[in-house]
Amino acid sequence: NAGVTQTPKFRVLKTGQSMTLLCAQDMNHEYMYWYRQDPGMGLRLIHYSVGEGTTAKGEVPDGYNVSRLKKQNFLLGLESAAPSQTSVYFCATKGLPYNEQFFGPGTRLTVL
Amino acid sequence: AQSVAQPEDQVNVAEGNPLTVKCTYSVSGNPYLFWYVQYPNRGLQFLLKYITGDNLVKGSYGFEAEFNKSQTSFHLKKPSALVSDSALYFCAVRDMWNTDKLIFGTGTRLQVFP
Repeated sequence: NAGVTQTPKFRVLKTGQSMTLLCAQDMNHEYMYWYRQDPGMGLRLIHYSVGEGTTAKGEVPDGYNVSRLKKQNFLLGLESAAPSQTSVYFCATKGLPYNEQFFGPGTRLTVL
Repeated sequence: AQSVAQPEDQVNVAEGNPLTVKCTYSVSGNPYLFWYVQYPNRGLQFLLKYITGDNLVKGSYGFEAEFNKSQTSFHLKKPSALVSDSALYFCAVRDMWNTDKLIFGTGTRLQVFP
Protein backbone atom coordinates (compact mmCIF):
# COMPACT_ATOMS: atom_id res chain seq x y z
CA ASN A 1 0.00 0.00 0.00
CA ALA A 2 1.26 3.44 -0.91
CA GLY A 3 -0.53 5.15 1.97
CA VAL A 4 -0.76 8.88 1.22
CA THR A 5 0.88 10.23 -1.93
CA GLN A 6 1.22 13.79 -3.19
CA THR A 7 1.78 15.11 -6.70
CA PRO A 8 3.96 16.97 -7.60
CA LYS A 9 6.90 16.88 -5.18
CA PHE A 10 8.26 20.26 -6.27
CA ARG A 11 6.89 23.18 -8.25
CA VAL A 12 7.95 26.71 -9.09
CA LEU A 13 5.26 29.18 -10.15
CA LYS A 14 5.22 32.78 -11.20
CA THR A 15 2.92 35.20 -9.42
CA GLY A 16 -0.58 34.92 -10.83
CA GLN A 17 -0.23 31.41 -12.21
CA SER A 18 -2.56 28.65 -11.13
CA MET A 19 -1.95 25.05 -10.18
CA THR A 20 -3.53 22.04 -8.51
CA LEU A 21 -1.93 19.78 -5.93
CA LEU A 22 -3.18 16.22 -5.80
CA CYS A 23 -3.42 14.07 -2.71
CA ALA A 24 -4.29 10.41 -3.10
CA GLN A 25 -4.83 7.79 -0.40
CA ASP A 26 -5.42 4.07 -0.48
CA MET A 27 -6.28 3.75 3.21
CA ASN A 28 -10.04 4.10 2.70
CA HIS A 29 -10.09 6.98 5.20
CA GLU A 30 -12.99 9.39 5.39
CA TYR A 31 -11.08 12.42 6.64
CA MET A 32 -8.53 14.30 4.55
CA TYR A 33 -6.61 17.49 5.30
CA TRP A 34 -4.37 20.05 3.61
CA TYR A 35 -1.75 21.84 5.71
CA ARG A 36 1.00 24.28 4.98
CA GLN A 37 4.26 24.31 6.90
CA ASP A 38 6.30 27.46 7.29
CA PRO A 39 9.42 27.95 9.42
CA GLY A 40 8.62 28.74 13.04
CA MET A 41 4.87 28.42 12.53
CA GLY A 42 4.28 24.70 12.69
CA LEU A 43 1.49 23.28 10.58
CA ARG A 44 -1.53 25.35 9.71
CA LEU A 45 -4.72 23.82 8.39
CA ILE A 46 -5.91 25.17 5.05
CA HIS A 47 -8.98 23.07 4.24
CA TYR A 48 -10.25 19.67 5.18
CA SER A 49 -12.91 17.11 4.26
CA VAL A 50 -14.88 14.69 6.40
CA GLY A 51 -16.03 12.59 3.46
CA GLU A 52 -16.56 12.40 -0.28
CA GLY A 53 -18.28 15.50 -1.59
CA THR A 54 -17.62 17.58 1.55
CA THR A 55 -15.11 20.33 2.27
CA ALA A 56 -14.60 22.79 5.10
CA LYS A 57 -12.35 25.76 5.79
CA GLY A 58 -9.44 25.53 8.16
CA GLU A 59 -7.27 28.15 9.77
CA VAL A 60 -5.80 29.75 6.61
CA PRO A 61 -8.17 29.09 3.66
CA ASP A 62 -7.80 32.36 1.74
CA GLY A 63 -6.33 31.99 -1.73
CA TYR A 64 -7.00 28.25 -1.87
CA ASN A 65 -9.84 26.04 -3.04
CA VAL A 66 -10.37 22.32 -2.64
CA SER A 67 -12.46 19.50 -4.04
CA ARG A 68 -13.21 15.96 -2.89
CA LEU A 69 -15.05 14.36 -5.79
CA LYS A 70 -13.75 10.91 -4.98
CA LYS A 71 -13.10 9.46 -1.55
CA GLN A 72 -9.48 8.66 -2.33
CA ASN A 73 -8.51 12.05 -3.75
CA PHE A 74 -8.33 15.53 -2.27
CA LEU A 75 -7.28 18.38 -4.56
CA LEU A 76 -5.87 21.73 -3.46
CA GLY A 77 -6.04 24.56 -5.98
CA LEU A 78 -4.30 27.90 -6.17
CA GLU A 79 -6.17 30.12 -8.64
CA SER A 80 -3.71 33.02 -8.65
CA ALA A 81 -0.49 32.21 -6.84
CA ALA A 82 1.19 34.79 -4.62
CA PRO A 83 4.69 34.80 -3.09
CA SER A 84 3.06 34.44 0.36
CA GLN A 85 1.96 30.98 -0.74
CA THR A 86 5.55 29.78 -0.96
CA SER A 87 5.53 26.90 1.49
CA VAL A 88 5.63 23.15 1.94
CA TYR A 89 2.18 21.61 1.61
CA PHE A 90 1.20 18.41 3.35
CA CYS A 91 -1.82 16.24 2.90
CA ALA A 92 -3.04 13.98 5.69
CA THR A 93 -5.78 11.44 6.25
CA LYS A 94 -7.54 10.07 9.29
CA GLY A 95 -9.79 7.09 9.79
CA LEU A 96 -11.94 6.92 12.90
CA PRO A 97 -12.77 10.19 14.65
CA TYR A 98 -10.13 10.04 17.36
CA ASN A 99 -7.30 8.34 15.56
CA GLU A 100 -4.00 9.77 14.47
CA GLN A 101 -3.45 11.45 11.13
CA PHE A 102 -1.23 9.98 8.41
CA PHE A 103 0.80 12.39 6.33
CA GLY A 104 2.00 12.44 2.76
CA PRO A 105 5.61 13.31 1.81
CA GLY A 106 4.84 16.94 0.98
CA THR A 107 4.97 19.32 -1.97
CA ARG A 108 7.49 22.15 -1.95
CA LEU A 109 6.02 25.15 -3.76
CA THR A 110 7.90 28.31 -4.62
CA VAL A 111 6.06 31.33 -6.01
CA LEU A 112 8.31 33.93 -7.62
CA ALA B 1 -8.18 29.92 23.29
CA GLN B 2 -6.94 26.43 22.70
CA SER B 3 -3.25 26.06 22.12
CA VAL B 4 -0.17 23.90 22.29
CA ALA B 5 3.21 25.28 23.27
CA GLN B 6 6.63 23.84 22.65
CA PRO B 7 8.85 26.19 24.63
CA GLU B 8 12.16 25.08 23.13
CA ASP B 9 13.02 25.69 19.49
CA GLN B 10 15.96 23.30 19.77
CA VAL B 11 17.14 20.64 22.16
CA ASN B 12 20.69 19.34 22.08
CA VAL B 13 21.68 16.07 23.72
CA ALA B 14 24.62 13.71 23.56
CA GLU B 15 24.11 10.23 22.20
CA GLY B 16 23.31 7.78 24.99
CA ASN B 17 21.91 10.45 27.28
CA PRO B 18 18.21 10.72 28.14
CA LEU B 19 16.21 13.27 26.19
CA THR B 20 13.10 15.29 26.91
CA VAL B 21 11.13 17.42 24.48
CA LYS B 22 8.60 19.60 26.24
CA CYS B 23 4.96 20.27 25.39
CA THR B 24 2.25 22.09 27.31
CA TYR B 25 -1.35 22.48 26.27
CA SER B 26 -4.31 24.68 26.96
CA VAL B 27 -7.69 23.13 26.21
CA SER B 28 -10.86 22.63 28.14
CA GLY B 29 -12.00 19.16 29.07
CA ASN B 30 -9.98 15.99 28.62
CA PRO B 31 -7.31 16.42 25.96
CA TYR B 32 -6.34 14.00 23.23
CA LEU B 33 -2.60 14.51 22.74
CA PHE B 34 -0.22 13.40 20.00
CA TRP B 35 3.47 13.46 19.15
CA TYR B 36 4.78 13.41 15.59
CA VAL B 37 8.31 13.33 14.18
CA GLN B 38 9.47 14.84 10.91
CA TYR B 39 12.75 13.77 9.32
CA PRO B 40 14.34 16.06 6.70
CA ASN B 41 12.33 16.38 3.50
CA ARG B 42 9.70 13.97 4.79
CA GLY B 43 6.12 14.15 6.01
CA LEU B 44 5.18 13.85 9.65
CA GLN B 45 5.16 10.39 11.21
CA PHE B 46 2.98 9.46 14.16
CA LEU B 47 4.91 8.53 17.32
CA LEU B 48 2.34 8.13 20.09
CA LYS B 49 -0.91 9.42 21.53
CA TYR B 50 -2.68 9.87 24.83
CA ILE B 51 -6.44 9.45 24.88
CA THR B 52 -7.19 8.12 28.34
CA GLY B 53 -5.84 5.69 30.91
CA ASP B 54 -2.22 5.30 32.00
CA ASN B 55 -0.39 8.62 32.13
CA LEU B 56 2.77 7.06 30.65
CA VAL B 57 2.32 6.28 26.99
CA LYS B 58 4.78 4.21 24.99
CA GLY B 59 5.27 4.74 21.28
CA SER B 60 7.46 4.01 18.31
CA TYR B 61 11.29 3.95 18.23
CA GLY B 62 11.57 3.69 22.04
CA PHE B 63 9.87 7.00 22.74
CA GLU B 64 7.41 7.56 25.54
CA ALA B 65 5.46 10.51 26.85
CA GLU B 66 4.07 11.42 30.23
CA PHE B 67 0.69 13.08 30.56
CA ASN B 68 0.48 15.39 33.57
CA LYS B 69 -2.94 16.91 34.02
CA SER B 70 -2.03 19.22 36.89
CA GLN B 71 0.83 20.74 34.91
CA THR B 72 -1.05 20.49 31.57
CA SER B 73 2.02 18.90 30.03
CA PHE B 74 2.78 16.03 27.69
CA HIS B 75 6.57 15.77 27.51
CA LEU B 76 8.24 13.38 25.09
CA LYS B 77 11.05 11.28 26.53
CA LYS B 78 13.57 8.63 25.60
CA PRO B 79 15.99 6.97 28.03
CA SER B 80 18.94 6.84 25.63
CA ALA B 81 19.17 9.11 22.60
CA LEU B 82 20.47 8.00 19.20
CA VAL B 83 22.01 10.20 16.52
CA SER B 84 19.24 8.94 14.24
CA ASP B 85 16.65 10.54 16.56
CA SER B 86 17.75 13.95 15.26
CA ALA B 87 14.63 15.42 13.68
CA LEU B 88 11.82 17.93 14.14
CA TYR B 89 9.21 16.96 16.73
CA PHE B 90 5.65 18.26 16.87
CA CYS B 91 3.17 18.06 19.71
CA ALA B 92 -0.54 18.29 18.84
CA VAL B 93 -3.86 18.36 20.64
CA ARG B 94 -7.32 17.60 19.33
CA ASP B 95 -9.41 20.73 18.88
CA MET B 96 -12.15 20.48 21.53
CA TRP B 97 -14.51 22.69 19.50
CA ASN B 98 -14.02 20.73 16.30
CA THR B 99 -12.86 17.23 17.05
CA ASP B 100 -12.03 16.59 13.41
CA LYS B 101 -9.02 18.89 13.71
CA LEU B 102 -5.63 18.93 15.43
CA ILE B 103 -3.82 21.96 16.80
CA PHE B 104 -0.06 21.70 16.30
CA GLY B 105 2.78 23.26 18.22
CA THR B 106 5.53 25.09 16.37
CA GLY B 107 7.95 22.19 16.62
CA THR B 108 11.20 21.44 18.46
CA ARG B 109 14.35 20.50 16.63
CA LEU B 110 16.21 17.70 18.39
CA GLN B 111 19.92 17.42 17.69
CA VAL B 112 21.71 14.37 19.05
CA PHE B 113 25.50 14.63 18.97
CA PRO B 114 27.78 11.59 18.73
